[in-house]
Amino acid sequence: KAGVTQTPRYLIKTRGQQVTLSCSPISGHRSVSWYQQTPGQGLQFLFEYFSETQRNKGNFPGRFSGRQFSNSRSEMNVSTLELGDSALYLCASSTLGQGETDTQYFGPGTRLTVL
Amino acid sequence: AQKITQTQPGMFVQEKEAVTLDCTYDTSDQSYGLFWYKQPSSGEMIFLIYQGSYDEQNATEGRYSLNFQKARKSANLVISASQLGDSAMYFCAMREGRISGTYKYIFGTGTRLKVLA
Repeated sequence: KAGVTQTPRYLIKTRGQQVTLSCSPISGHRSVSWYQQTPGQGLQFLFEYFSETQRNKGNFPGRFSGRQFSNSRSEMNVSTLELGDSALYLCASSTLGQGETDTQYFGPGTRLTVL
Repeated sequence: AQKITQTQPGMFVQEKEAVTLDCTYDTSDQSYGLFWYKQPSSGEMIFLIYQGSYDEQNATEGRYSLNFQKARKSANLVISASQLGDSAMYFCAMREGRISGTYKYIFGTGTRLKVLA
């Protein structure tokens, strides 16, 4: 099976712009989670989607949003970018909620730099 | 309060030696899962090993084993016969909320392991 894929791998944006990141989960996985990783804050949970519905949400401002499509692919959007949004954004997929093992498998990440 | 605590920010180990990375957790859930991930400098988080809260035996995956002590709420990772390629950041994580349906994954701050030749 192909692993979790994320596009793009690298992004450079300027303050005030918006950005959309994409994640394709492992085939058959309906749960997709997003994380932000920074040197100062570590790995922080953004939100989780399951069958096109946001099932869980972390403590991030409303500028961070996401969605999931019927094929389980997910997008994450950040509007009005700030310098502090520079981070590695990781997507993970799992079968959690589908009655099987709930191990999360991660993609390679998108490294976002905000100038 | 920290739900996942990794007290070793950095560790060194000689090649071919075994090393233990510490992890303690805190949860009131009866059903939870514990995970270890490896993150090389490339950034990708690689799943290593999983232990369910109801599993009576310690999980093992090749050179990785998880020393699960439920009463002490610890889930230490043991890497046997360390290799240079094991040099990376290691994260302990916990999944809780299966029963309630909230499904939260919480990660520790990580331990940076350096294997010496």
